[in-house]
Amino acid sequence: DAGVTQSPTHLIKTRGQHVTLRCSPISGHKSVSWYQQVLGQGPQFIFQYYEKEERGRGNFPDRFSARQFPNYSSELNVNALLLGDSALYLCASSPGTGGNQPQHFGDGTRLSIL
Amino acid sequence: SQELEQSPQSLIVQEGKNLTINCTSSKTLYGLYWYKQKYGEGLIFLMMLQKGGEEKSHEKITAKLDEKKQQSSLHITASQPSHAGIYLCGADRGGTSYGKLTFGQGTILTVHP
Repeated sequence: DAGVTQSPTHLIKTRGQHVTLRCSPISGHKSVSWYQQVLGQGPQFIFQYYEKEERGRGNFPDRFSARQFPNYSSELNVNALLLGDSALYLCASSPGTGGNQPQHFGDGTRLSIL
Repeated sequence: SQELEQSPQSLIVQEGKNLTINCTSSKTLYGLYWYKQKYGEGLIFLMMLQKGGEEKSHEKITAKLDEKKQQSSLHITASQPSHAGIYLCGADRGGTSYGKLTFGQGTILTVHP
């Protein structure tokens, strides 16, 4: 079975632009979470979606938004890009939102802001 | 200070040696997850610990959870070059924070053949 897939793998943007990152969860998984990982640090939670509803939001500005589609895939949108948004963006999926369900991660999208 | 502190930050060992990585939480743990990451790639799930005193093993990797101390340790026996990478612990605080993992800064493991 396919794991979590993310696209694109790499992206280069300039300040002020916007970007859309995509994620397809493992088949049967209904929850998708997004994390930002800056070089040298652990991932930071951005959003969690379950059954197309936002279930949690981390400490990120309103420039960050996301949504989940009926097929449980998800998009992360970032507007007005800043240099500090350069990071590896990771998507993770799990069957539900329960605390005993490990999240499985994709390989991420490397976003570079020039 | 970080909610999750990992130690050491980096570790260099000779192949065949045993090693331990620690993860200490400043808040109550509901669940503790260990992941491995190759540089610039995604996280690979290793183990999940939920109960105080719980210990799990997979191949040469053993993880333990000390709930009272809010600590977890990851032990690798007879390390191999394939064990090299970044090890991350992630905490689930439970309640309204179910599934919203908080991660440590990672421990970089290098294994010399």
